[in-house]
Amino acid sequence: AQSVSQHNHHVILSEAASLELGCNYSYGGTVNLFWYVQYPGQHLQLLLKYFSGDPLVKGIKGFEAEFIKSKFSFNLRKPSVQWSDTAEYFCAVNAKGSQGNLIFGKGTKLSVKP
Amino acid sequence: DTEVTQTPKHLVMGMTNKKSLKCEQHMGHRAMYWYKQKAKKPPELMFVYSYEKLSINESVPSRFSPECPNSSLLNLHLHALQPEDSALYLCASNPGQGRGPDTQYFGPGTRLTVL
Repeated sequence: AQSVSQHNHHVILSEAASLELGCNYSYGGTVNLFWYVQYPGQHLQLLLKYFSGDPLVKGIKGFEAEFIKSKFSFNLRKPSVQWSDTAEYFCAVNAKGSQGNLIFGKGTKLSVKP
Repeated sequence: DTEVTQTPKHLVMGMTNKKSLKCEQHMGHRAMYWYKQKAKKPPELMFVYSYEKLSINESVPSRFSPECPNSSLLNLHLHALQPEDSALYLCASNPGQGRGPDTQYFGPGTRLTVL
């Protein structure tokens, strides 16, 4: 069965600090990988996704993620966070050729201090 | 238009009530999903409809009854719910197998409170 692990439950950073959120997945086949963000009181928004090709993908709002196949990882990064990045971040996977349903990690809450 | 809409935004119901949640998309997507999200938890899949047919039911209790009347609409009928069913109910859509990028677009959700 597929599973997704996010290592950090709650990350607290000051503005301008660099961010890296870890995500590892477990699945024997080929997957699509996603990061979603949920701002307080708002709905899930897609930050970025990886299907194939260049393992370094860039998303919205200055976020990027790197797919490392050998490590089954898809870590999210941002060089300099802002207070407005305070949100819950979810890593998710689905199996290629499946019904597309997503398996989510437990989420990482990011708090950025101004 | 990459929007999935859900109504109502908030719903409060008693355990004996019958209510319905509605989801709509006009992106031509042929896969639609219901997820349940409890506070401080990730979304959990409930149902998947593919080409208007129920393809996945993740062992959801029968007090939740999904319906897909056409390719744009997805309903979730609720009856005899329990207080522990209180959660944010999210709808999502996806182009469908072989029809485009395998990306789900989420609606804003319906926040359900069962008294």
